[in-house]
Amino acid sequence: DTGVSQNPRHKITKRGQNVTFRCDPISEHNRLYWYRQTLGQGPEFLTYFQNEAQLEKSRLLSDRFSAERPKGSFSTLEIQRTEQGDSAMYLCASSWGTNNSPLHFGNGTRLTVT
Amino acid sequence: GQNIDQPTEMTATEGAIVQINCTYQTSGFNGLFWYQQHAGEAPTFLSYNVLDGLEEKGRFSSFLSRSKGYSYLLLKELQMKDSASYLCAVKGAAGNKLTFGGGTRVLVKP
Repeated sequence: DTGVSQNPRHKITKRGQNVTFRCDPISEHNRLYWYRQTLGQGPEFLTYFQNEAQLEKSRLLSDRFSAERPKGSFSTLEIQRTEQGDSAMYLCASSWGTNNSPLHFGNGTRLTVT
Repeated sequence: GQNIDQPTEMTATEGAIVQINCTYQTSGFNGLFWYQQHAGEAPTFLSYNVLDGLEEKGRFSSFLSRSKGYSYLLLKELQMKDSASYLCAVKGAAGNKLTFGGGTRVLVKP
């Protein structure tokens, strides 16, 4: 168990640019989640996958955000035309497919939009 | 919708006990989780409650009352390394995501 891995750890970009983040979950886990967290707040749900299927997406999520998990393993989160309000920590988590399975989080990608 | 409330900040002394309360209103319920998050790090799982009662795990215990929509996390014999944010999260009936509260920042003083 090597844990959940996220790349890059930090990303600084200019407003209007596109960015893509990658998440490698724990290999045996079939569920993968993306959350966003700003300073002093709890993680906010963005979307989740069971295997390669995207089963839920937050209604708060702008259409500038898209996520994929093409082979049911790693996932990517893309933000198009970034805005300053997108600056946050983007956390990925994975879990088994049972109700009592905790989410295991990666260390996140910190995005700064200038 | 789901609403989860917990205090913003608490201060306690090393060696003491602190109780962090969490109240929730959710559409359905499939369990409540507590996480610890040190500054700049990922949240790490502490405990899970789905039935009423107390779950004890070393210095940490978590309690749940489903009828009251209430949980607490009890930290005993506080150590300096326990200074962190503690996140309450609920899994509702619809879907499989966790909805998190805003977190309680605990500061342990010598």
